[in-house]
Amino acid sequence: AQSVAQPEDQVNVAEGNPLTVKCTYSVSGNPYLFWYVQYPNRGLQFLLKYITGDNLVKGSYGFEAEFNKSQTSFHLKKPSALVSDSALYFCAVREPYSGNTPLVFGKGTRLSVIA
Amino acid sequence: DSGVTQTPKHLITATGQRVTLRCSPRSGDLSVYWYQQSLDQGLQFLIQYYNGEERAKGNILERFSAQQFPDLHSELNLSSLELGDSALYFCASSVVQGTGLMNTEAFFGQGTRLTVV
Repeated sequence: AQSVAQPEDQVNVAEGNPLTVKCTYSVSGNPYLFWYVQYPNRGLQFLLKYITGDNLVKGSYGFEAEFNKSQTSFHLKKPSALVSDSALYFCAVREPYSGNTPLVFGKGTRLSVIA
Repeated sequence: DSGVTQTPKHLITATGQRVTLRCSPRSGDLSVYWYQQSLDQGLQFLIQYYNGEERAKGNILERFSAQQFPDLHSELNLSSLELGDSALYFCASSVVQGTGLMNTEAFFGQGTRLTVV
């Protein structure tokens, strides 16, 4: 069964610095990978996805993620963090070619951007 | 706005009671997923419906059930409620691509916050 690990419960970064939120996955075959963000008292918002092709995926709000097959990772990155990026970030995986399957989420990483 | 609508936004009820959470998916989306988010368990997949039929089951308790109606809206029924059922319940929807490749993201509603007292 597919799974996702987000090794850090909390990431703190200063405003203007680059940020990275880590994600590793376990799935048979080539994965479909997703990042979502959750602001307080809100639902999850889709940021970006990797399906195939270029390993560097660009998404909403200036975020990008790099797919690394050899390291089974899909880290979320942003060159310059904003205070407004402070939120809970979830990595998710979906097993391909197995039908209309649900997303499996990691436990989430809380990002705090300090002014 | 994701286009997924969940009602009610908040629900407070007593232990032993039964509640129904409602979800209207995005227009055209055939799949509906229910997730439970609690502080200690993260986002747990409960159940999925596709075009009216149950497609996948996750960590859903026997006290919980769901259905998807012909107009594609879905309801999650929670019965014999316990304090531990207090959580945020999310509905998400997605559309199945014609080729069957599951590369579509799911769109989430704002959630229903259930408090059992």
